[in-house]
Amino acid sequence: GAVVSQHPSRVICKSGTSVKIECRSLDFQATTMFWYRQFPKKSLMLMATSNEGSKATYEQGVEKDKFLINHASLTLSTLTVTSAHPEDSSFYICSAIAGESYEQYFGPGTRLTVT
Amino acid sequence: GQSLEQPSEVTAVEGAIVQINCTYQTSGFYGLSWYQQHDGGAPTFLSYNGLDGLEETGRFSSFLSRSDSYGYLLLQELQMKDSASYFCAVRDRNAGNMLTFGGGTRLMVKP
Repeated sequence: GAVVSQHPSRVICKSGTSVKIECRSLDFQATTMFWYRQFPKKSLMLMATSNEGSKATYEQGVEKDKFLINHASLTLSTLTVTSAHPEDSSFYICSAIAGESYEQYFGPGTRLTVT
Repeated sequence: GQSLEQPSEVTAVEGAIVQINCTYQTSGFYGLSWYQQHDGGAPTFLSYNGLDGLEETGRFSSFLSRSDSYGYLLLQELQMKDSASYFCAVRDRNAGNMLTFGGGTRLMVKP
């Protein structure tokens, strides 16, 4: 099956700093990538939808200036958490789809801890 | 918008059969998917139903009734490694390709 990677898998940063998370589709071109956030024992909450070459579409309640998303190529999307605070600590997961496929391929996730 | 309901927890014993139900509300239903997620891991795709009926993949089957806005995931011959969270997710044609996930069902398989 298709493979999506994320980097880093874990990151600890100090409050006020920014963190960049990369999401790559390794063996297919991802027309659309999604960014989710998941708190412990909770469901995945969609943060934004990212289409290559265009601005991301953010879900209601997600601050676009805080969570910067760039989808510069068909295989790479990045999420930058700016001026991170402890409440931003969470598991961030990306997913990707190719064309009109119904199946989303998920990355392994990035656990962010802000101290 | 979309909403999905599924039980929060289910417990079963090894070798048993368990059914996880999912009801949904959406304006432009396009399909129901099921994902498995182990603690600390990413969701992995299990099955997809776009039409009514049963889809079988090994020990796992998924069923959909569009008229009832209802589906289920059936896990047979349960194994300890099946202990995980299971999410149903609906795709809405009015919302592009995005998936909306249910709250997840935590399955605990006991010896």
